[in-house]
Amino acid sequence: DSGVTQTPKHLITATGQRVTLRCSPRSGDLSVYWYQQSLDQGLQFLIQYYNGEERAKGNILERFSAQQFPDLHSELNLSSLELGDSALYFCASSVGISLEQYFGPGTRLTVT
Amino acid sequence: GIQVEQSPPDLILQEGANSTLRCNFSDSVNNLQWFHQNPWGQLINLFYIPSGTKQNGRLSATTVATERYSLLYISSSQTTDSGVYFCAVYNTDKLIFGTGTRLQVFP
Repeated sequence: DSGVTQTPKHLITATGQRVTLRCSPRSGDLSVYWYQQSLDQGLQFLIQYYNGEERAKGNILERFSAQQFPDLHSELNLSSLELGDSALYFCASSVGISLEQYFGPGTRLTVT
Repeated sequence: GIQVEQSPPDLILQEGANSTLRCNFSDSVNNLQWFHQNPWGQLINLFYIPSGTKQNGRLSATTVATERYSLLYISSSQTTDSGVYFCAVYNTDKLIFGTGTRLQVFP
């Protein structure tokens, strides 16, 4: 157990819908990262927050957004869902920047 | 952007065999991690290794940052070692993952 929690574990929804994925980092970690793992794109970095502020962005679609709250948990919002958004979404956390990242169990999203 | 290549892409072993997985990266990196993704999809930290050699039980890793590669050694493999092994390098603040090595260990 890495200490990073993610909910829900599984999510099945229809095209055009909106979902929210939640992540709680390890106790004491200030950085939260979101990654997407799909069959055709592999594991890709989406976005990073550090102590409530957005710090880095990767290949995140405009339909996706995220935030980190004062208690340091983070949410990833995915809207206008398409079939191609089906993937495993991971959250990771670390104490600081460029330090060891620990991954949560992931949320498996299926868009039908 | 930085490229991370892993070899071999697939590896089939019998229990008890040893193996070496390789990770090459195209540019200087701040740090490097090795992960094991088990058949249930969970990403498990193996090593956080910017340079040098580390050992943890039957696993060890060596990173030669100046030559831009890292090696993961698995000795006396067990069926529970099956899964996908990823290396990931730090580029500024984010991890760039390789495409992985899929390992299958048979009894």
